[in-house]
Amino acid sequence: DAGVTQSPTHLIKTRGQQVTLRCSPKSGHDTVSWYQQALGQGPQFIFQYYEEEERQRGNFPDRFSGHQFPNYSSELNVNALLLGDSALYLCASSLGLAGTSYEQYFGPGTRLTVT
Amino acid sequence: EDQVTQSPEALRLQEGESSSLNCSYTVSGLRGLFWYRQDPGKGPEFLFTLYSAGEEKEKERLKATLTKKESFLHITAPKPEDSATYLCAVQEGSNYQLIWGAGTKLIIKP
Repeated sequence: DAGVTQSPTHLIKTRGQQVTLRCSPKSGHDTVSWYQQALGQGPQFIFQYYEEEERQRGNFPDRFSGHQFPNYSSELNVNALLLGDSALYLCASSLGLAGTSYEQYFGPGTRLTVT
Repeated sequence: EDQVTQSPEALRLQEGESSSLNCSYTVSGLRGLFWYRQDPGKGPEFLFTLYSAGEEKEKERLKATLTKKESFLHITAPKPEDSATYLCAVQEGSNYQLIWGAGTKLIIKP
């Protein structure tokens, strides 16, 4: 049973550039959430996708955008990169939005460094 | 404002020395409280979900409990491989967003 996969594992970008991160959810899951995790901190919620629509968004600027495809995979795009965007970006998948069980399963993350 | 606070920030134990980690929360209408384990440079690994006060769940050397304002993760006779950061997150009411604590870094010395 394939778990959550993310690509790439590491990425180095320059300020002002744009980046796209990719995520494939765990088999059978249809909901994808994206998180940003700074060193020594808990994950910060960016947004969540279900049925190819953004269902909920955290306190992140419009430079952060996303997409979900019919096969439930997802992309996170960040425009006009800032030094402060350097972090571990985590993708988590879960099943549905309104179930009694809301366990999220995380991928290994993409380490983004902005120089 | 909804908050999740974990304590201590770091905990060093000798192998076999039992202890507890704390997660206190202030949310209205808790829908679920989640415990995760995170190894350095990796994504969090799901451990437990607790839904109501009085609930307990166990997995190997770990036991999670929940009250109306906090949760404890008890670790019994830990081994060095239990060393990791333990994260707590809560889901409030109809909000699907998880609110996370900053984690407790647990180090078990052989």
